[in-house]
Amino acid sequence: AQSVTQLDSHVSVSEGTPVLLRCNYSSSYSPSLFWYVQHPNKGLQLLLKYTSAATLVKGINGFEAEFKKSETSFHLTKPSAHMSDAAEYFCVVSDRGSTLGRLYFGRGTQLTVWP
Amino acid sequence: KAGVTQTPRYLIKTRGQQVTLSCSPISGHRSVSWYQQTPGQGLQFLFEYFSETQRNKGNFPGRFSGRQFSNSRSEMNVSTLELGDSALYLCASSPTGTGGHEQYFGPGTRLTVT
Repeated sequence: AQSVTQLDSHVSVSEGTPVLLRCNYSSSYSPSLFWYVQHPNKGLQLLLKYTSAATLVKGINGFEAEFKKSETSFHLTKPSAHMSDAAEYFCVVSDRGSTLGRLYFGRGTQLTVWP
Repeated sequence: KAGVTQTPRYLIKTRGQQVTLSCSPISGHRSVSWYQQTPGQGLQFLFEYFSETQRNKGNFPGRFSGRQFSNSRSEMNVSTLELGDSALYLCASSPTGTGGHEQYFGPGTRLTVT
């Protein structure tokens, strides 16, 4: 079975400081992992994805994430936060070996960026 | 390519009514999935359609149903609306819908049941 745990429901940072959003996953199979971002009253936008190639994945807007199989983690980082990064972030897992592409979502982490 | 579109964007309905939501996937995408998003339950999978067939279904009552047309457009229907059905309904498309691939989301339909 697939599941995702986002370890923080809220993260607050000051503009210009690093961002760390933590995610642990559970998967019975080879997982693909994603981070999506949702701005208020908007749909979900794909930030980045891991699908078995390089374990350090770079995404849009300066975000990156590292897949650590031994720790079953896929934490999202950004060196310097910007006001426009304030949004809700979802860590998502999918089973690469399945013919059914269902996504399993974490509960989300609300990121607040202070000026 | 145009993204996933959903109509309407906002709906207000009364308990007991029914509602139909529409989703047009990205051109060439044959898989359409639906999700319900609420503050209390987060994002929950409703169902997925591929080539006009429901391939996968989440844990929702039979009041929630859907269909897909030959052009891959999809509709979901909720009958006998309850207050708890108030939510953001998100549609997502992908080329094949197989495991491991990302899905592309529409802006959602905000349903309010009074």
